[in-house]
Amino acid sequence: QSALTQPRSVSGSPGQSVTISCTGTSSDVGDDNNHVSWYQQHPGKVPKVLIYDVIKRPSGVPDRFSGFKYDNTASLTISGLQAEDEADYYCCSYAGSFTWVFGGGTKLTVL
Amino acid sequence: EVQLMESGGGLEQPGGSLRLSCVASGFTFSEDPMNWVRQAPGKGLEWISNIRSGGDSKYYADSVKGRFTISRDNAKNSLYLQMDSLRAEDTAIYYCVRDVHFAFDLWGQGTMVTVSS
Repeated sequence: QSALTQPRSVSGSPGQSVTISCTGTSSDVGDDNNHVSWYQQHPGKVPKVLIYDVIKRPSGVPDRFSGFKYDNTASLTISGLQAEDEADYYCCSYAGSFTWVFGGGTKLTVL
Repeated sequence: EVQLMESGGGLEQPGGSLRLSCVASGFTFSEDPMNWVRQAPGKGLEWISNIRSGGDSKYYADSVKGRFTISRDNAKNSLYLQMDSLRAEDTAIYYCVRDVHFAFDLWGQGTMVTVSS
């Protein structure tokens, strides 16, 4: 149950796009079940799901947020960056037998 | 309103025990699997336990296996976490979380647990 690997920080200017990577193993991210999800957490707030099953967005999440996966690496792309996107982002993968593993988190700074 | 509300956190000495509770409202609690996820101060999220909708099957992260016990009472719309043999590294905010489609879609506000002498 090792944590997934994310960059500690990324940054971008308003209107730009940023991509956050999330690397795991063939037992979690790379598994064919494709149960990778992404969460946004503002300081002092509760995490909010942005993406599930690699590419699906819950109702209410803007289409500026998109997900992708190739092999053992998943990614979250945020297009048209806005000031309110500044937050911590976490990837998470189902790891089988009803267990999950999170990434270490990435701090997004909007310049 | 669909929500989860945790309680039971506090300060406990190493080796001690605490029991966390989570009350659900606004959805059919008995149909959904539930989890506990924690976050140490200034750190990332860590999944620690899952219980299936009927309460018969339970799963744990290695970091808490043998020390923590998850349970639920569907008649009371409640989820619990019995935490024994507490360690300093268990200090964290503990979130009660629903999972749907193997993703965590509903989170409580969290309850803080501090383990210190």
